[in-house]
Amino acid sequence: DAGVIQSPRHEVTEMGQEVTLRCKPISGHNSLFWYRQTMMRGLELLIYFNNNVPIDDSGMPEDRFSAKMPNASFSTLKIQPSEPRDSAVYFCASSLSRTNTEAFFGQGTRLTVV
Amino acid sequence: KQEVTQIPAALSVPEGENLVLNCSFTDSAIYNLQWFRQDPGKGLTSLLLIQSSQREQTSGRLNASLDKSSGRSTLYIAASQPGDSATYLCAVRPRGFQKLVFGTGTRLLVSP
Repeated sequence: DAGVIQSPRHEVTEMGQEVTLRCKPISGHNSLFWYRQTMMRGLELLIYFNNNVPIDDSGMPEDRFSAKMPNASFSTLKIQPSEPRDSAVYFCASSLSRTNTEAFFGQGTRLTVV
Repeated sequence: KQEVTQIPAALSVPEGENLVLNCSFTDSAIYNLQWFRQDPGKGLTSLLLIQSSQREQTSGRLNASLDKSSGRSTLYIAASQPGDSATYLCAVRPRGFQKLVFGTGTRLLVSP
């Protein structure tokens, strides 16, 4: 398996534009997580899905952020409209939904909003 | 609320030294603890996973221990090499949740 695949790797956009980040989890994994990493706050969970259903979105900072998982092999995180303070590295991770299993992370998307 | 702390924040050692990275967490009700490595500009690579019922896990030159009752874990790196230079993160999975709660990491530099 190629691991968790995220795209794009880098995104530079202007304030006010819509940004869509994409993630393909490891095949067979039924839990998917979106994290954000910043220097100030470290790694924070934004939202996670079990079997394509959002379970906990309490980490989503504002209504400008939304996430979907239309099927077991694809998820998106959308920011609309984007703001400079959204600049961060966004990671997607996946695991089996059993609590004793490892989480595997993608390479991340570095987002810069200017 | 579970909080995870890593000490030291940064560590610089000469090649060949054995070293210990520390991780502490405030709530012992966890399913497991996972150690990750992050290279600059890269994603997180899983190093070791310790279940709450286990005391330690080993992989090559790495050994991670877990003392759940005291809320502590250590990552021991034997015979460090320049290629070990990276940021090391620990994360716990609190009981009742599937998410991971991360520490702020220890930035390790191993000099040749």
